[in-house]
Amino acid sequence: QKEVEQNSGPLSVPEGAIASLNCTYSDRGSQSFFWYRQYSGKSPELIMFIYSNGDKEDGRFTAQLNKASQYVSLLIRDSQPSDSATYLCAVKGSGYALNFGKGTSLLVTP
Amino acid sequence: EPEVTQTPSHQVTQMGQEVILRCVPISNHLYFYWYRQILGQKVEFLVSFYNNEISEKSEIFDDQFSVERPDGSNFTLKIRSTKLEDSAMYFCASSLRGELSYNSPLHFGNGTRLTVT
Repeated sequence: QKEVEQNSGPLSVPEGAIASLNCTYSDRGSQSFFWYRQYSGKSPELIMFIYSNGDKEDGRFTAQLNKASQYVSLLIRDSQPSDSATYLCAVKGSGYALNFGKGTSLLVTP
Repeated sequence: EPEVTQTPSHQVTQMGQEVILRCVPISNHLYFYWYRQILGQKVEFLVSFYNNEISEKSEIFDDQFSVERPDGSNFTLKIRSTKLEDSAMYFCASSLRGELSYNSPLHFGNGTRLTVT
């Protein structure tokens, strides 16, 4: 069974702080890694994609990948109340399927 | 911006009934998918579809489920005899290529909430 594990939270951070979200995966053959944001009752929307070890930055978001440790993280700088959502880690192997974690609920308090 | 559209947004059906969930993928996309999310649970892959055939399916996608692209624009998911545990949000998605990336991301529709009573 290919598992993607995330702490369910809620993770509460004050506005302007850095939010750090973590994800581990079990399949060493995983090739690409995604972070999605999902607001309650809505569909997931892609915010970050990473496939090589190291950091990838896009605006206030930084994704970090460590394949040796099978670990992916997402940093959100200058967190805003509008960032309050569930963040889903998704992992893709050689097939077509994305394997999602259960998500971490983030609450940014004003 | 083009989007994946799903109808209906909410479907209520009785156990044992057949349901068809409908999706219109983005017009130039070649790969189509169904995912589902039971309330409070993770998003789960059901099936992918390319070139008019299933390219991959999960263990969830058993003989009760089928997919079809009946014409050039629609993509449907049929559940033959619904069970209580089929109650979930069903997301249709499409992508330009099977290799997902920033240039070819997975575009999700807004979902159909299926309630089986």
